[in-house]
Amino acid sequence: KNEVEQSPQNLTAQEGEFITINCSYSVGISALHWLQQHPGGGIVSLFMLSSGKKKHGRLIATINIQEKHSSLHITASHPRDSAVYICAVSRRNQGGSEKLVFGKGTKLTVNP
Amino acid sequence: KAGVTQTPRYLIKTRGQQVTLSCSPISGHRSVSWYQQTPGQGLQFLFEYFSETQRNKGNFPGRFSGRQFSNSRSEMNVSTLELGDSALYLCASSVGTGLAWVREESAYNEQFFGPGTRLTVL
Repeated sequence: KNEVEQSPQNLTAQEGEFITINCSYSVGISALHWLQQHPGGGIVSLFMLSSGKKKHGRLIATINIQEKHSSLHITASHPRDSAVYICAVSRRNQGGSEKLVFGKGTKLTVNP
Repeated sequence: KAGVTQTPRYLIKTRGQQVTLSCSPISGHRSVSWYQQTPGQGLQFLFEYFSETQRNKGNFPGRFSGRQFSNSRSEMNVSTLELGDSALYLCASSVGTGLAWVREESAYNEQFFGPGTRLTVL
C-alpha cells in the first residue's frame, strides 16, 4: 500500500463545477503539499499546510491531522485548471531535512 | 527573482553510459532536492543537499549520486545507465534550514521546482 493515496485517479468536469480531490496518508508527517503539474512537466507548489485550511483564489486546501486526510477543492472550475494535481507529504528527520513522498496524482480535465 | 533552472532540458543516452544533470536554485536558497518521475512509479525522492552536505536520501541504487557546490548549485550523476532510468528528473530548491524547531509550514521549507530534465536511455 502506498504511503500516500489519492482519489480519484482521473476526473473530468464541466466548466464551472466544484471539484474535490482527496488525499490520505498513512505515516507521520510534518506538512502536506498540494502540487500542480501541467503537460510539459512544470510543477508548481499550490499549498503547504500542517493544520486547518488555506485558501488561494479559487483553490481551497484542508487537512485533518487526526484522520490523516486532506482535500483540495476548486470552485468555479475552468479549462485552464486542467492539470495533474499531486499530493505529497513531508517526512522530516531530526536534522531538519525534508523528504517528500508523493501520491500518484489526479488528472483533472475541465471541459468548456 | 529568477526561478530554478535545470540543464540540459532534454538528453538522449545509451545503456551503459553515464550522465550528469545540473540544477541552479533560486538565489539565496541553500537546499536542493532531486526527484525522479516515471509513468509507472510517479514522483520519487532521490536526495536532498543543504550547504554542500547530503542530508537525506531515497531508495535508489548507488549508481545515482549527487553533490552540491558552495554556490548551492547541484549536480546529479547516474552511472551505467539502464533503460529504466528514462524519466523526468526534477530538482527543487528551498531556503532550507538546519533547525528542527522551525515550523513545518515555514517558508524555509516551501519547495520551488525547476522545469526538469527529460532523460531518454536507448
